[in-house]
Amino acid sequence: GENVEQHPSTLSVQEGDSAVIKCTYSDSASNYFPWYKQELGKRPQLIIDIRSNVGEKKDQRIAVTLNKTAKHFSLHITETQPEDSAVYFCAAPQDKVIFGPGTSLSVIP
Amino acid sequence: NAGVTQTPKFQVLKTGQSMTLQCAQDMNHNSMYWYRQDPGMGLRLIYYSASEGTTDKGEVPNGYNVSRLNKREFSLRLESAAPSQTSVYFCASSARGYNSPLHFGNGTRLTVT
Repeated sequence: GENVEQHPSTLSVQEGDSAVIKCTYSDSASNYFPWYKQELGKRPQLIIDIRSNVGEKKDQRIAVTLNKTAKHFSLHITETQPEDSAVYFCAAPQDKVIFGPGTSLSVIP
Repeated sequence: NAGVTQTPKFQVLKTGQSMTLQCAQDMNHNSMYWYRQDPGMGLRLIYYSASEGTTDKGEVPNGYNVSRLNKREFSLRLESAAPSQTSVYFCASSARGYNSPLHFGNGTRLTVT
């Protein structure tokens, strides 16, 4: 079945710095790659997604880049703010939606 | 437009008791999912329903059953609760299966003593 890994598992950055989280997947047939953010005690919510026909997508301070050949995609957050502190999950769905183990991001004011 | 609604929000069960977690969506989505999230852990797929009338096992289906009652509703049943099933349960829906965004409910916090 699908295997999804995330690195790092925890990340701590100073406010204003950039953060990058990498997701690797095993099934080369995947063509939809979302990132979800889960704040403490809340539900996960989609923050950005990308499809396999593009290499990069940006939405204000958040971007996702995709390398289909290497089977990985990355979440980039620039100018981090304390409200970016959360757990971030990636997925590379193939019939089932299996999530990566999550990355806990802490932004230090 | 409520999105995905889960009931109850909290539940305490004794070992061996049964209960059903309810989930309903009002977005006319085709696919629905049940996940569990243990403290400090990720989201693990229990069961999913790609479309009305179908259900399939996810990563951790043992001890659970599901019913896709109609397009709106997808329930999760614990027949004989065990302490290992203490978790937060999230229901989610998506418009077009695995290739579209998931919309999550607010979760049900279940404790089995």
